[in-house]
Amino acid sequence: DVKVTQSSRYLVKRTGEKVFLECVQDMDHENMFWYRQDPGLGLRLIYFSYDVKMKEKGDIPEGYSVSREKKERFSLILESASTNQTSMYLCASSPVGVETQYFGPGTRLLVL
Amino acid sequence: QKEVEQDPGPLSVPEGAIVSLNCTYSNSAFQYFMWYRQYSRKGPELLMYTYSSGNKEDGRFTAQVDKSSKYISLFIRDSQPSDSATYLCAMSVGTGNQFYFGTGTSLTVIP
Repeated sequence: DVKVTQSSRYLVKRTGEKVFLECVQDMDHENMFWYRQDPGLGLRLIYFSYDVKMKEKGDIPEGYSVSREKKERFSLILESASTNQTSMYLCASSPVGVETQYFGPGTRLLVL
Repeated sequence: QKEVEQDPGPLSVPEGAIVSLNCTYSNSAFQYFMWYRQYSRKGPELLMYTYSSGNKEDGRFTAQVDKSSKYISLFIRDSQPSDSATYLCAMSVGTGNQFYFGTGTSLTVIP
Protein backbone atom coordinates (compact mmCIF):
# COMPACT_ATOMS: atom_id res chain seq x y z
CA ASP A 1 0.00 0.00 0.00
CA VAL A 2 1.12 3.51 -0.78
CA LYS A 3 1.87 5.45 2.35
CA VAL A 4 1.97 9.23 2.39
CA THR A 5 2.54 10.76 5.79
CA GLN A 6 2.37 14.35 6.93
CA SER A 7 4.27 15.62 9.93
CA SER A 8 1.34 17.08 11.84
CA ARG A 9 -2.41 16.50 11.87
CA TYR A 10 -3.17 19.81 13.60
CA LEU A 11 -1.08 22.95 13.86
CA VAL A 12 -1.72 26.33 15.47
CA LYS A 13 0.56 29.21 14.55
CA ARG A 14 0.71 32.97 15.01
CA THR A 15 0.55 35.53 12.24
CA GLY A 16 4.02 36.22 10.88
CA GLU A 17 5.52 32.89 11.96
CA LYS A 18 7.41 30.72 9.49
CA VAL A 19 5.64 27.40 9.14
CA PHE A 20 7.04 24.13 7.81
CA LEU A 21 4.77 21.31 6.66
CA GLU A 22 6.51 18.04 5.89
CA CYS A 23 5.37 15.23 3.63
CA VAL A 24 7.02 11.85 3.17
CA GLN A 25 6.06 9.05 0.78
CA ASP A 26 7.44 5.54 0.90
CA MET A 27 6.74 4.30 -2.62
CA ASP A 28 9.57 5.94 -4.57
CA HIS A 29 7.14 8.17 -6.48
CA GLU A 30 8.64 10.82 -8.69
CA ASN A 31 5.76 13.31 -8.46
CA MET A 32 4.68 15.11 -5.33
CA PHE A 33 2.04 17.77 -4.80
CA TRP A 34 0.81 20.25 -2.21
CA TYR A 35 -2.84 21.32 -2.14
CA ARG A 36 -4.98 23.34 0.17
CA GLN A 37 -8.63 22.45 0.67
CA ASP A 38 -11.24 25.01 1.68
CA PRO A 39 -15.04 24.67 1.92
CA GLY A 40 -16.72 25.56 -1.35
CA LEU A 41 -13.40 25.92 -3.15
CA GLY A 42 -12.26 22.31 -3.28
CA LEU A 43 -8.64 21.36 -3.72
CA ARG A 44 -6.33 23.99 -5.10
CA LEU A 45 -2.81 23.18 -6.22
CA ILE A 46 -0.09 25.20 -4.53
CA TYR A 47 3.13 23.62 -5.84
CA PHE A 48 4.24 20.36 -7.34
CA SER A 49 7.52 18.62 -8.06
CA TYR A 50 8.50 16.09 -10.69
CA ASP A 51 11.94 15.38 -9.36
CA VAL A 52 14.42 16.15 -6.65
CA LYS A 53 15.26 19.86 -6.44
CA MET A 54 12.64 20.58 -9.06
CA LYS A 55 9.44 22.57 -8.41
CA GLU A 56 6.61 24.07 -10.39
CA LYS A 57 4.03 26.62 -9.31
CA GLY A 58 0.44 25.57 -9.17
CA ASP A 59 -2.62 27.79 -9.15
CA ILE A 60 -2.04 29.58 -5.84
CA PRO A 61 1.69 29.74 -5.02
CA GLU A 62 1.68 33.21 -3.48
CA GLY A 63 2.85 33.20 0.13
CA TYR A 64 4.26 29.67 -0.14
CA SER A 65 7.52 28.03 -1.11
CA VAL A 66 8.60 24.39 -1.31
CA SER A 67 11.68 22.27 -0.96
CA ARG A 68 12.47 18.83 -2.33
CA GLU A 69 15.96 17.80 -1.31
CA LYS A 70 15.19 14.06 -1.28
CA LYS A 71 12.89 12.06 -3.52
CA GLU A 72 10.67 10.89 -0.70
CA ARG A 73 10.25 14.25 1.04
CA PHE A 74 8.41 17.39 -0.08
CA SER A 75 8.17 20.34 2.26
CA LEU A 76 5.76 23.27 2.11
CA ILE A 77 6.91 26.51 3.71
CA LEU A 78 4.75 29.44 4.71
CA GLU A 79 7.31 32.23 4.87
CA SER A 80 5.16 34.52 7.01
CA ALA A 81 1.88 32.93 8.00
CA SER A 82 -1.29 34.95 7.61
CA THR A 83 -4.84 34.28 8.79
CA ASN A 84 -6.01 33.64 5.21
CA GLN A 85 -3.67 30.65 5.11
CA THR A 86 -5.81 28.87 7.69
CA SER A 87 -6.80 25.74 5.82
CA MET A 88 -6.47 21.99 5.38
CA TYR A 89 -3.19 21.19 3.62
CA LEU A 90 -2.94 17.96 1.67
CA CYS A 91 0.16 16.34 0.24
CA ALA A 92 -0.05 13.79 -2.57
CA SER A 93 2.32 11.68 -4.61
CA SER A 94 2.12 9.74 -7.84
CA PRO A 95 4.43 7.61 -9.97
CA VAL A 96 5.37 8.66 -13.49
CA GLY A 97 2.98 7.37 -16.15
CA VAL A 98 0.14 6.65 -13.76
CA GLU A 99 -2.68 9.15 -13.62
CA THR A 100 -3.62 8.79 -9.99
CA GLN A 101 -2.52 10.65 -6.89
CA TYR A 102 -2.23 9.22 -3.40
CA PHE A 103 -2.98 11.58 -0.56
CA GLY A 104 -1.71 11.96 2.96
CA PRO A 105 -4.06 12.45 5.93
CA GLY A 106 -3.80 16.24 5.78
CA THR A 107 -2.67 18.95 8.17
CA ARG A 108 -5.24 21.34 9.61
CA LEU A 109 -3.47 24.65 10.06
CA LEU A 110 -4.95 27.46 12.11
CA VAL A 111 -3.21 30.83 11.93
CA LEU A 112 -4.18 33.21 14.70
CA GLN B 1 -16.39 28.89 -15.83
CA LYS B 2 -14.75 26.28 -13.64
CA GLU B 3 -12.94 23.41 -15.31
CA VAL B 4 -14.91 20.88 -13.25
CA GLU B 5 -18.37 21.35 -11.74
CA GLN B 6 -19.76 19.15 -9.01
CA ASP B 7 -22.97 19.56 -7.04
CA PRO B 8 -21.93 19.93 -3.37
CA GLY B 9 -25.12 18.37 -2.05
CA PRO B 10 -25.57 17.44 0.70
CA LEU B 11 -27.12 14.17 -0.40
CA SER B 12 -28.94 12.02 2.13
CA VAL B 13 -30.20 8.51 1.26
CA PRO B 14 -31.52 5.48 3.18
CA GLU B 15 -29.33 2.43 3.57
CA GLY B 16 -29.57 0.14 0.54
CA ALA B 17 -30.37 2.91 -1.94
CA ILE B 18 -28.56 3.41 -5.23
CA VAL B 19 -26.56 6.63 -5.19
CA SER B 20 -25.62 8.63 -8.26
CA LEU B 21 -22.87 11.24 -8.04
CA ASN B 22 -21.98 13.39 -11.02
CA CYS B 23 -19.48 15.87 -12.41
CA THR B 24 -19.44 17.92 -15.58
CA TYR B 25 -16.37 19.43 -17.17
CA SER B 26 -15.52 21.90 -19.89
CA ASN B 27 -12.13 20.73 -21.20
CA SER B 28 -12.61 18.15 -23.94
CA ALA B 29 -8.93 17.20 -23.65
CA PHE B 30 -9.45 15.44 -20.31
CA GLN B 31 -8.74 11.74 -20.69
CA TYR B 32 -8.20 10.46 -17.15
CA PHE B 33 -11.03 10.47 -14.65
CA MET B 34 -10.88 9.63 -10.97
CA TRP B 35 -13.21 9.42 -8.02
CA TYR B 36 -11.92 9.95 -4.50
CA ARG B 37 -13.66 9.34 -1.20
CA GLN B 38 -12.85 11.59 1.73
CA TYR B 39 -14.00 10.85 5.25
CA SER B 40 -14.34 13.73 7.66
CA ARG B 41 -10.98 15.21 8.69
CA LYS B 42 -9.05 12.68 6.57
CA GLY B 43 -7.21 12.84 3.25
CA PRO B 44 -8.92 11.73 0.02
CA GLU B 45 -8.49 8.08 -0.94
CA LEU B 46 -8.63 6.86 -4.52
CA LEU B 47 -11.82 4.94 -5.23
CA MET B 48 -12.04 4.54 -9.00
CA TYR B 49 -9.83 5.39 -11.96
CA THR B 50 -10.98 5.41 -15.60
CA TYR B 51 -9.23 6.19 -18.81
CA SER B 52 -11.29 7.75 -21.63
CA SER B 53 -14.94 6.79 -22.10
CA GLY B 54 -16.89 3.82 -20.85
CA ASN B 55 -17.76 2.06 -17.63
CA LYS B 56 -15.68 0.53 -14.89
CA GLU B 57 -17.04 -1.59 -12.08
CA ASP B 58 -15.49 -2.45 -8.73
CA GLY B 59 -17.74 -4.21 -6.27
CA ARG B 60 -20.64 -1.92 -5.41
CA PHE B 61 -19.10 0.99 -7.29
CA THR B 62 -19.45 1.82 -11.00
CA ALA B 63 -17.76 4.73 -12.73
CA GLN B 64 -19.12 6.01 -16.02
CA VAL B 65 -17.55 8.47 -18.42
CA ASP B 66 -19.45 10.11 -21.28
CA LYS B 67 -16.93 12.24 -23.13
CA SER B 68 -19.44 13.38 -25.73
CA SER B 69 -21.50 15.03 -22.98
CA LYS B 70 -18.47 15.90 -20.81
CA TYR B 71 -20.14 14.11 -17.93
CA ILE B 72 -18.90 11.54 -15.44
CA SER B 73 -20.82 9.57 -12.84
CA LEU B 74 -20.19 7.36 -9.86
CA PHE B 75 -22.90 4.88 -8.88
CA ILE B 76 -22.97 3.21 -5.49
CA ARG B 77 -25.25 0.18 -5.19
CA ASP B 78 -26.63 -1.10 -1.91
CA SER B 79 -25.29 1.96 -0.11
CA GLN B 80 -24.04 1.47 3.45
CA PRO B 81 -23.62 3.90 6.36
CA SER B 82 -19.87 3.45 5.92
CA ASP B 83 -20.22 5.10 2.49
CA SER B 84 -21.05 8.39 4.25
CA ALA B 85 -18.27 10.71 3.10
CA THR B 86 -17.46 13.45 0.63
CA TYR B 87 -16.87 12.23 -2.92
CA LEU B 88 -14.50 14.18 -5.15
CA CYS B 89 -14.17 13.80 -8.88
CA ALA B 90 -10.84 14.59 -10.53
CA MET B 91 -9.58 14.62 -14.07
CA SER B 92 -6.49 15.35 -16.11
CA VAL B 93 -5.35 15.70 -19.68
CA GLY B 94 -2.57 13.18 -19.42
CA THR B 95 0.58 12.01 -17.76
CA GLY B 96 2.42 14.70 -15.92
CA ASN B 97 -0.37 17.20 -16.22
CA GLN B 98 -2.30 18.97 -13.52
CA PHE B 99 -5.31 17.36 -11.90
CA TYR B 100 -8.57 19.30 -11.74
CA PHE B 101 -10.85 18.50 -8.84
CA GLY B 102 -14.52 19.03 -8.25
CA THR B 103 -15.49 20.64 -4.97
CA GLY B 104 -16.95 17.39 -3.66
CA THR B 105 -20.43 16.02 -2.89
CA SER B 106 -21.27 15.26 0.72
CA LEU B 107 -23.15 11.96 1.08
CA THR B 108 -24.90 10.62 4.17
CA VAL B 109 -26.36 7.10 4.19
CA ILE B 110 -28.96 6.75 6.92
CA PRO B 111 -29.24 3.33 8.64
